[in-house]
Amino acid sequence: GAVVSQHPSWVICKSGTSVKIECRSLDFQATTMFWYRQFPKQSLMLMATSNEGSKATYEQGVEKDKFLINHASLTLSTLTVTSAHPEDSSFYICSANLGSSYNEQFFGPGTRLTVL
Amino acid sequence: AQSVTQLGSHVSVSEGALVLLRCNYSSSVPPYLFWYVQYPNQGLQLLLKYTSAATLVKGINGFEAEFKKSETSFHLTKPSAHMSDAAEYFCAVGSDKVIFGPGTSLSVIP
Repeated sequence: GAVVSQHPSWVICKSGTSVKIECRSLDFQATTMFWYRQFPKQSLMLMATSNEGSKATYEQGVEKDKFLINHASLTLSTLTVTSAHPEDSSFYICSANLGSSYNEQFFGPGTRLTVL
Repeated sequence: AQSVTQLGSHVSVSEGALVLLRCNYSSSVPPYLFWYVQYPNQGLQLLLKYTSAATLVKGINGFEAEFKKSETSFHLTKPSAHMSDAAEYFCAVGSDKVIFGPGTSLSVIP
């Protein structure tokens, strides 16, 4: 149980276009989901916390107008990279909180974004 | 504020040797601590977690970690390394959100 999926697994786009990445909790409801980005050979950096039915909470330094997050249901959160540029190329990983008494996050397999 | 440091960005061990990956944390509240493993171009897999129960935590694939409050450490060990253990390992601390350490790349030499 507790499976999180991401779609697409990889995407290549032209500079200036927008890309949407989906994160789904397949067998549980997640009131909270998280979005991370990971550059090559680096750690995961938390971008934002996505709460179902409310606005996302962004970490310091993350442009909320560039990285649009929507958490419209208890099983789906989306990250849209608007007007993507080559420097946005990265590995984007989402996670969903099972919401038990202690923190337990389940991670998706990640989405590789390449902006040409 | 919470933070994690991992001593050694790269560790090499011989197959069959002890694996020791170091993790120290900083937390103003009793921490939840995690170790994750990541294989190339894949997401993260939880190895084990500490949630204020037993200080010695056993995880999957023969890994275990010991929580030492006095040392603010949560080092990961495995008695005998396998080739399949070669991967990136992340220590993390968190409660409402998880903060990751910089990671340690483990190489296993045949």
